[in-house]
Amino acid sequence: EPEVTQTPSHQVTQMGQEVILRCVPISNHLYFYWYRQILGQKVEFLVSFYNNEISEKSEIFDDQFSVERPDGSNFTLKIRSTKLEDSAMYFCASRPSRGGDSPLHFGNGTRLTVT
Amino acid sequence: GENVEQHPSTLSVQEGDSAVIKCTYSDSASNYFPWYKQELGKGPQLIIDIRSNVGEKKDQRIAVTLNKTAKHFSLHITETQPEDSAVYFCAAWGTALIFGKGTTLSVSS
Repeated sequence: EPEVTQTPSHQVTQMGQEVILRCVPISNHLYFYWYRQILGQKVEFLVSFYNNEISEKSEIFDDQFSVERPDGSNFTLKIRSTKLEDSAMYFCASRPSRGGDSPLHFGNGTRLTVT
Repeated sequence: GENVEQHPSTLSVQEGDSAVIKCTYSDSASNYFPWYKQELGKGPQLIIDIRSNVGEKKDQRIAVTLNKTAKHFSLHITETQPEDSAVYFCAAWGTALIFGKGTTLSVSS
């Protein structure tokens, strides 16, 4: 079964540094998402992306965050100047269509640790 | 925006018992309600979903019910097994998929 793949599985960075988290969505999917999960807490929506544009974003997704689809397969999340509170699991997800009834498929996440 | 409340936060059952997890949502326009299972170190995995035009859906030992009038939906797991132990999240589709806070299910043998 096709799956969403994320790299790296674990990223350690120093406060103030930039990080790029990478995702390869399922190949025929058109809608892409990033979610964040702080340890032991719920999965929080960050941003959705379609047709090379942000569709929706949450209040968490401030100016330090950006997303990009640099080529036909990758989808990235950039955090410009990391803060301690950015430490979390970051999940990429994709779905084939926009309709609010098609399943969202998640990757296994990147654990970001900011020291 | 959409807000999803989930109860209980933890649930411990004996193997073979049933487990029920309940969620409420706030946005009456939401029309899609998936349930995800998350095991340690992994991403959420879809286990069952229900659309707003259906009141109940069953897949083997797992069933989900939806009451649109009351804006609540529930997950029912029958004949629980130790491998059902995980964190379960309900979610509702508003303008994005919004998750509840999760239920940690422990099944003891």
